[in-house]
Amino acid sequence: QSVLTQPPSASGTPGQRVTISCSGSSSNIGSNTVNWYQQLPGTAPKLLIYSNNQRPSGVPDRFSGSKSGTSASLAISGLQSEDEADYYCAAWDDSELEVFGGGTKLTVL
Amino acid sequence: QVQLQESGPGLVKPSQTLSLTCTVSGGSISSGSYYWSWIRQPAGKGLEWIGRIYTSGSTNYNPSLKSRVTISVDTSKNQFSLKLSSVTAADTAVYYCARARSGIAVLGYYYYYMDVWGKGTTVTVSS
Repeated sequence: QSVLTQPPSASGTPGQRVTISCSGSSSNIGSNTVNWYQQLPGTAPKLLIYSNNQRPSGVPDRFSGSKSGTSASLAISGLQSEDEADYYCAAWDDSELEVFGGGTKLTVL
Repeated sequence: QVQLQESGPGLVKPSQTLSLTCTVSGGSISSGSYYWSWIRQPAGKGLEWIGRIYTSGSTNYNPSLKSRVTISVDTSKNQFSLKLSSVTAADTAVYYCARARSGIAVLGYYYYYMDVWGKGTTVTVSS
């Protein structure tokens, strides 16, 4: 049972825009920033979005993040086949630990 | 460019202590204001944060593992380590080490994110 709640799966066709939601509480998303990690099959997670909406160098601007209250979302526009991966949201919890969502498996149809 | 590499036994017997090391290359573990973290992922499941250590040596652990976890740093070897005692089959997972940045963002929100990850090492707990 993950502290943050994500849909287990999402899908879209190439070129489409897809969003993945992440729901938390006042002790994590509500009071701290949200990060998103992308995990391609068989590889380590990679930082995709940090501090709610910031992209690390090298991450395409097709990826964007937002946060409102105790929820956050990741949007992927112009969906590409290489975007097929697991996506995890994460946030610091005031109990002094990092908490993750259960992950969303994105399928590009 | 900083890189991280996990190392340690791939097989640990139940009730024993799992010990892993993360070697930092391309930069000094004691330079900058970073947290050095451990995360694990059972096969087919999600990510679980284990804990972190600051360059000063202060630590935070996941409460669900706190009684069994110790994270330490060896600046002379540019490494940090994880020890997890009294392991069971439930501790079988891929273990990742990561570098993390943290601080206070605009409007007072705390930020903590892991920007550099190792490739991970698989640890199986079995007799």
